Amino acid sequence: GNSVTQMEGPVTLSEEAFLTINCTYTATGYPSLFWYVQYPGEGLQLLLKATKADDKGSNKGFEATYRKETTSFHLEKGSVQVSDSAVYFCALTNTGNQFYFGTGTSLTVIP
Amino acid sequence: NAGVTQTPKFQVLKTGQSMTLQCAQDMNHEYMSWYRQDPGMGLRLIHYSVGAGITDQGEVPNGYNVSRSTTEDFPLRLLSAAPSQTSVYFCASRISGGNTGELFFGEGSRLTVL
Repeated sequence: GNSVTQMEGPVTLSEEAFLTINCTYTATGYPSLFWYVQYPGEGLQLLLKATKADDKGSNKGFEATYRKETTSFHLEKGSVQVSDSAVYFCALTNTGNQFYFGTGTSLTVIP
Repeated sequence: NAGVTQTPKFQVLKTGQSMTLQCAQDMNHEYMSWYRQDPGMGLRLIHYSVGAGITDQGEVPNGYNVSRSTTEDFPLRLLSAAPSQTSVYFCASRISGGNTGELFFGEGSRLTVL
């Protein structure tokens, strides 16, 4: 079956620290992988995506590389800001009709 | 540019009551879907539709009905609400075809069933 496993939070970092949020997946075929971000009281927004092995998605200083050999899609940012405080979700889809989400990782960045 | 619009944003129901969560999108997306978000469980797919007149079940469809009479609208109906349906509900749409297009989400509807 299809599933996504994320590192559990919450994660608390100081401003300008390095961020890694781990995501591994189980899927048949060749899924597309996504990171979404959810700010308090809002819906999910796409942060970045990768649609084939070895692709790197990037946006707003965040990066993630689609690693088929390790079935991983870890999210990284070199220097976090207070405004990055949010919940981050890793997700995959095989067919485009069903998306599978991880449980979310809450990030708090303190000044 | 409205995107995906959900109403109501908040609702309190008593057990056994019925209600409809509304979802509309103005992006001409053929695919629409409903998710529920519960603490520690991420988002789980309830129902989805790949076009007008076509619906299918997701991971957690029990207790919910959907229909798709137009491309723009995809309402979610709770026929007899139960406390287990207390959750935050998100509607999402995407371009149909392939698996590379992302979901666009509404702002959510928080439902409490007493």
